[in-house]
Amino acid sequence: DAGVTQSPTHLIKTRGQQVTLRCSPISGHKSVSWYQQVLGQGPQFIFQYYEKEERGRGNFPDRFSARQFPNYSSELNVNALLLGDSALYLCASSLTGQEQYFGPGTRLTVT
Amino acid sequence: GESVGLHLPTLSVQEGDNSIINCAYSNSASDYFIWYKQESGKGPQFIIDIRSNMDKRQGQRVTVLLNKTVKHLSLQIAATQPGDSAVYFCAETPGGSYIPTFGRGTSLIVHP
Repeated sequence: DAGVTQSPTHLIKTRGQQVTLRCSPISGHKSVSWYQQVLGQGPQFIFQYYEKEERGRGNFPDRFSARQFPNYSSELNVNALLLGDSALYLCASSLTGQEQYFGPGTRLTVT
Repeated sequence: GESVGLHLPTLSVQEGDNSIINCAYSNSASDYFIWYKQESGKGPQFIIDIRSNMDKRQGQRVTVLLNKTVKHLSLQIAATQPGDSAVYFCAETPGGSYIPTFGRGTSLIVHP
């Protein structure tokens, strides 16, 4: 079975631009969570969706938004990019939401 | 505030040794804990989990111990191999929540 997949693998954006990251969960998993991981730190929770409903939101500005589609895939959008948004963005899927399995991440660089 | 932390940022061991990675948590409401392994350039990989109604859980070459009295979690890796070299994170989830909090991580270095 395929694991969690994320696209793109890497991307470079300029300050002020907008970015969309994509995630496909493990087949059968209905929950998707997004995390931001800065070098040297643990993942920081951004959003969790379950059955297409937002179930949790971390302490991130409104520039960050997400949604989950009927096939349980998800997108994370970040508007008005700042240099500090440079990070590894991780997606995790879960059957229930607790036991989470991570994808390889998208490395975002903002210049 | 509530936090999850690790005692040692770096742990160096010889191949074949047993490794112990420690984690302290302060949220007494946490009832679910997971250990993750993250290799360079990859996403965290689920290793083993434990619920607060258990003290110990074993997997393949790994054992997680939970001491709720002192709010301490440990990951034991038996016969450590070079492939075990990675950063290890513990994560705690409060009861009724689906949102884990991760600690900073411990870097395990295994010398051949």
